[in-house]
Amino acid sequence: DIQMTQSPSSLSASVGDRVTMTCRASQSISSYLNWYQQKPGKAPKLLIFAASSLQSGVPSRFSGSGSGTDFTLTISSLQPEDSATYYCQQCYSIPFTFGPGTKVDIK
Amino acid sequence: QVLLVQSGAEVKKPGASVKVSCKVSGYTLTEVSVHWVRQAPGKGLEWMGGLNPEEGKTTYAPKFQGRVTMTEDTSTDTAYIELSSLRSEDTAVYYCTTDTSVSGTWASWGQGTLVTVSS
Repeated sequence: DIQMTQSPSSLSASVGDRVTMTCRASQSISSYLNWYQQKPGKAPKLLIFAASSLQSGVPSRFSGSGSGTDFTLTISSLQPEDSATYYCQQCYSIPFTFGPGTKVDIK
Repeated sequence: QVLLVQSGAEVKKPGASVKVSCKVSGYTLTEVSVHWVRQAPGKGLEWMGGLNPEEGKTTYAPKFQGRVTMTEDTSTDTAYIELSSLRSEDTAVYYCTTDTSVSGTWASWGQGTLVTVSS
């Protein structure tokens, strides 16, 4: 199985800050990497697919980059509604696996 | 846009089985590939299995092999997941979701079904 790790596990930032979080795969997954946002009590929401493609309807302040084993999700200007947990997920091979998540709080 | 509506919360005893449904609308079940993901309280997301469109068959995560069955009723556009030999660690919210054009990339999600396993 491909193991996914994320860092940091949590962060706190102010509105307007640029926020970056990372995801690492235990082996190369090319660009088969998705990012999801999840708020408490809600289903996950797809933000970024194929490492860097913005899902329709997602604000442009979200962006993704990387390939191979190392990936990054960036929020260019943090908004109050961005308080959530962010998960990366590989769709390169079965079983599909998620990272443990990065929890983002607003200061 | 695919709309997924799941059945309601369940409470089961250890050793029992549970069956959760996921009604698909906006598309027919034959047009989508349904997957199931669960989330234990306060924990992360875990893929359980789903339809592999390339092989045309359902694939299960090794962790659940032998205990999980995913089925579909195309006459009602409803997908099901059944988990047997329940234990307390199976207490979780179970989500159905569907592939986009890329297998394993999920844009549409059901609202989730809480399954509680308790004696």
